[in-house]
Amino acid sequence: GAVVSQHPSRVICKSGTSVKIECRSLDFQATTMFWYRQFPKQSLMLMATSNEGSKATYEQGVEKDKFLINHASLTLSTLTVTSAHPEDSSFYICSAQDRVVTGELFFGEGSRLTVL
Amino acid sequence: QQQVKQSPQSLIVQKGGISIINCAYENTAFDYFPWYQQFPGKGPALLIAIRPDVSEKKEGRFTISFNKSAKQFSLHIMDSQPGDSATYFCAASISAGGTSYGKLTFGQGTILTVHP
Repeated sequence: GAVVSQHPSRVICKSGTSVKIECRSLDFQATTMFWYRQFPKQSLMLMATSNEGSKATYEQGVEKDKFLINHASLTLSTLTVTSAHPEDSSFYICSAQDRVVTGELFFGEGSRLTVL
Repeated sequence: QQQVKQSPQSLIVQKGGISIINCAYENTAFDYFPWYQQFPGKGPALLIAIRPDVSEKKEGRFTISFNKSAKQFSLHIMDSQPGDSATYFCAASISAGGTSYGKLTFGQGTILTVHP
């Protein structure tokens, strides 16, 4: 079946640095991808909707200048956490929708960010 | 409103028993209701989903019951097994014609423990 791959699965960085997380749809074209954040023992909160070739749509309360999203191709969306701080430490999960063929939605395995 | 309320927060069931998790929503525009299973450190995986034109859907040991008038839906896991121990999330979205249901609002999650 279709697979959504996230990289890296774990990343540790120092406070003030920027971290990029990639989300790839491996065998389908994803015109739309979604980025979620999940704190320990909490639910998934939608951060933004990423559309190929256009600007991302951010949810209320999400800083677009801090969480940069780029969806440059039909199979790749990236989330860059700029000037990361310890409070940005979280589990970031992407999902991608195969709108072209099946309409199904697939989630990635998540990326654990730890900011020291 | 966009909120989806899920209960209970945690659930302990004996092997072979029935696990029941409930969700309630407020936005009557929601028309896609999936349930996800998440293991620690992994992304969520779709278990089963329902649309409001049916009141029940069964797939193997998993059944969704849907009550449109009460704006509630529930997940029943029959013959619960220790391998079912995980966190379960209900979710809801507006499908906009069937291909745009990726913008999910998640419930708070239920930690299910099945004792052998």
